[in-house]
Amino acid sequence: KNEVEQSPQNLTAQEGEFITINCSYSVGISALHWLQQHPGGGIVSLFMLSSGKKKHGRLIATINIQEKHSSLHITASHPRDSAVYICAVPQQPMNYGGSQGNLIFGKGTKLSVKP
Amino acid sequence: DTGVSQDPRHKITKRGQNVTFRCDPISEHNRLYWYRQTLGQGPEFLTYFQNEAQLEKSRLLSDRFSAERPKGSFSTLEIQRTEQGDSAMYLCASSYQVQSYGYTFGSGTRLTVV
Repeated sequence: KNEVEQSPQNLTAQEGEFITINCSYSVGISALHWLQQHPGGGIVSLFMLSSGKKKHGRLIATINIQEKHSSLHITASHPRDSAVYICAVPQQPMNYGGSQGNLIFGKGTKLSVKP
Repeated sequence: DTGVSQDPRHKITKRGQNVTFRCDPISEHNRLYWYRQTLGQGPEFLTYFQNEAQLEKSRLLSDRFSAERPKGSFSTLEIQRTEQGDSAMYLCASSYQVQSYGYTFGSGTRLTVV
C-alpha cells in the first residue's frame, strides 16, 4: 500500500513570496495529483502529472519518479492562495492495467499568505 | 455539466439516527468514489463504484455504512445508528476509468453527530 508524506504541515508566507510544498510517496505510481481545498471543504484538482513538470498560471508542479518525490511551487503568492494543498497518489501500484482506482492522500499543507 | 454535486452540504443529527447522503457525478464518468475526511487529516477512501458495481470497500466502511449506485448514475451513502465518531466531511469524486483523465470532486457533506 502506498504511503504519502507531505511537508511542511503548516506554512505562513508574506504576499509575493515563492512557496514550495513537498510530497513523497513509497510505491511507484502512474500519476500524482495535487489538489487544493478551501475552508468549507470542496476539493479542486490542480494537477495530475506522471513525469517532468506542469505549469498553470503561478502554479508549477514537478515530479521525480526515481526519487518518488513531487513539489508544488507557487510564484508571487497572494492571500487568495491561502488554502490546504493536498498530494494524492493511486493506492494501486504501477501497471495496474492502466485503470485508475481510489487515491491515497497526504494530510495536506495548510498555507496562509499574509498581505 | 455542473460538476459533481453533493447533497446536503451540512447535516446535523442526533446520535443513533440514520442519515443518507447523495452524490451526483459528472454524467460521462463511470467511476464514483466516496471518501471521509476528519479535521486536520487528508481524505480516506471508503468505497468506489464502476457503473453500478461496487468494486472495492475499505475496512473503514463498517456494517453501519452502506453505499449504492443503483443505475450507475447518482450514488447514496447511508450511515445507520450514527455515532459521534462518524462526524466528518464526506467527499464524493468521479472519474473515467482510464487513468489519463483526472478526478472531479464534489463540495462534500459535513456531518455533525451530537
